[in-house]
Amino acid sequence: EIVLTQSPGTLSLSPGERATLSCRATQNIRNSFLAWYQQKAGQPPRLLIYGASKRATGIPDRFSGSGSGADFTLTITRLEPEDFAVYYCQQYATSPPTFGPGTKVEIK
Amino acid sequence: HLVQSGAEVKKPGASVKVSCKASGYIFTSYGLSWVRQAPGQGLEWMGWISPYNGDTKYAQILQGRVTLTADTSTSTAYMELRNLRSDDTAVFYCARIMGALLLDYWGQGTLVTVSS
Repeated sequence: EIVLTQSPGTLSLSPGERATLSCRATQNIRNSFLAWYQQKAGQPPRLLIYGASKRATGIPDRFSGSGSGADFTLTITRLEPEDFAVYYCQQYATSPPTFGPGTKVEIK
Repeated sequence: HLVQSGAEVKKPGASVKVSCKASGYIFTSYGLSWVRQAPGQGLEWMGWISPYNGDTKYAQILQGRVTLTADTSTSTAYMELRNLRSDDTAVFYCARIMGALLLDYWGQGTLVTVSS
């Protein structure tokens, strides 16, 4: 099973700042089948990015994903108030699909 | 659009069956996964089902305790978890599989509390 680690665990930033979240896998993720989800309290996860860099429908372009192999990054260029949430990466290249433990982006 | 059944409270050793009604797309054209999230914790994949042919695959850790089914006549998927333990307390989500095991749309979640 592919294990994902995310860093940092918590990111304290102000609105308007740039957020850089990391996701690292224990082995290369085939076809860059790596997704990012956003989850706000009391809500289900929302798909943001898939295929490492493709934005899902309706996702603003301040969200971008990059990376390949075993190292991936989610960048939020200018944080809006609604972006403060927990972000999970997920690999869907091999079964079982696995999720990272999450990065919480909180207001500084 | 995926709409799940309401919250449940169960005693240890009991079973729970959560439903997930799909609308707005062809039910048999997409698989469905189930994911659970213990309070304050991360996301754990439980398994998936193909409503088209009933094929299923389960997470090894839940093998033998979980069954996924789908009723194509009502576009509803079900997750049954048996022999509940207190550490099964979680929010259970159904999610549509867009391709491979990528989850594009999620239900609102169903809280299952296991307590004596």
